[in-house]
Formats: sequence, C-alpha cells, structure tokens
Amino acid sequence: GNSVTQMEGPVTLSEEAFLTINCTYTATGYPSLFWYVQYPGEGLQLLLKATKADDKGSNKGFEATYRKETTSFHLEKGSVQVSDSAVYFCALSRRNEKLTFGTGTRLTIIP
Amino acid sequence: GAVVSQHPSWVICKSGTSVKIECRSLDFQATTMFWYRQFPKQSLMLMATSNEGSKATYEQGVEKDKFLINHASLTLSTLTVTSAHPEDSSFYICSAREGSTDTQYFGPGTRLTVL
Repeated sequence: GNSVTQMEGPVTLSEEAFLTINCTYTATGYPSLFWYVQYPGEGLQLLLKATKADDKGSNKGFEATYRKETTSFHLEKGSVQVSDSAVYFCALSRRNEKLTFGTGTRLTIIP
Repeated sequence: GAVVSQHPSWVICKSGTSVKIECRSLDFQATTMFWYRQFPKQSLMLMATSNEGSKATYEQGVEKDKFLINHASLTLSTLTVTSAHPEDSSFYICSAREGSTDTQYFGPGTRLTVL
C-alpha cells in the first residue's frame, strides 16, 4: 500500500535559517504529492503540490520537487520567519483515491 | 484557492446528546468529501469518505451508527455524532475534493467537547 515517511520533529530554528523537512514515499504508479500546513487550532491549508516527476511546487517561499528516482518530496525554504511556526504534513494520493499522510513535523521558529 | 467552511467551529454538549457538523465547499462542487478526526499532536485519522447521493464509506473501526454522514448536495456534507460521550471529544476536520485538480481542500475544523 501507499505510505509517507517524514522527518520527525519537533524542529526548532532561528529566524532567517534555512529549512528542510524530509519526506519520502512508497506508492504504486504515479501519485500526486502535497505539502499541507496546519497552524494552531486550525484545519489544514494546502501549501504546495506536484503532480508528476520533476515538477516543482512552490508557494510563500516554500519549494518541493517531485523526485521519482529517490521517491522524495522534501520541503525547503531559504529564510524562515516566526509566522512559519506550524505543523507540516506531507501527503500523497493517486487519482480519485484518499490522501495518505505522513505523521507531521512540528516547526518552531524563534526570533 | 478553493475554500471549504465548517460550522460550528466549536461546540460543547452534554453526554447523550447529538451534535451535527456541517462542511461546505464554497466555490466549487465536490462529489467527494472526507471526514477526519485529529487527536492532540497527532496526524489526521480518516473516518469516512462521503460521495454525493450515496452512502458513506467508513474506515475500519469507525462506528457508522454513531457517526452519521450525509452528503445531500455537491456542496454540503454533514457529520452527526449521535449520543455523544466524553471519549468523542476531539477535533473534527472535513475536506472536499476538487475534481478538476484532484486536490483536497480542508475546512478549518470543529472542536467538540462532550461533558
């Protein structure tokens, strides 16, 4: 079956530091890959997505590239802000199937 | 981006009563909606998949008679927690799949507290 493994948290960084949250997956076929972000007390927001190999999703300074050869979709940001503190979920789905989530990575940015 | 709303955002009820939570896709039609439950500091647990006009598909271990799901239109799904007990207290989140992009958009969640 499908599975997503993401970097265990919590992750604590200083403001303006470089961020990487690792995500690898196992799936048959060619799933779409997603990063969702959850701020405290809220639902999930779609941060970015990629639907095929070598696609790069980007939004709000965050980027992730769909790497089929390494089955990875690592999330990166060049300079984090305090407002980026949240829980980040990596997920995948094949067309018309349910999402498979990673366990989530809690990120805290300190001024 | 596509917007999904949930109502209420929080509810407190007495043990034994029923609570209904609404999930609406505001700017797109969703043939499929999903209901999740989230415990503190944990990932989301899928409870059921709801298809417009048909019965919901429940995940293993989820009591369908306790968590009633109705998806009467392409923009509205409801979850009713029947005869709620304190152990049903949780954060419930819905999502709706936008068909053309096959992307799920999530509601803001409903925090249920059963006294």
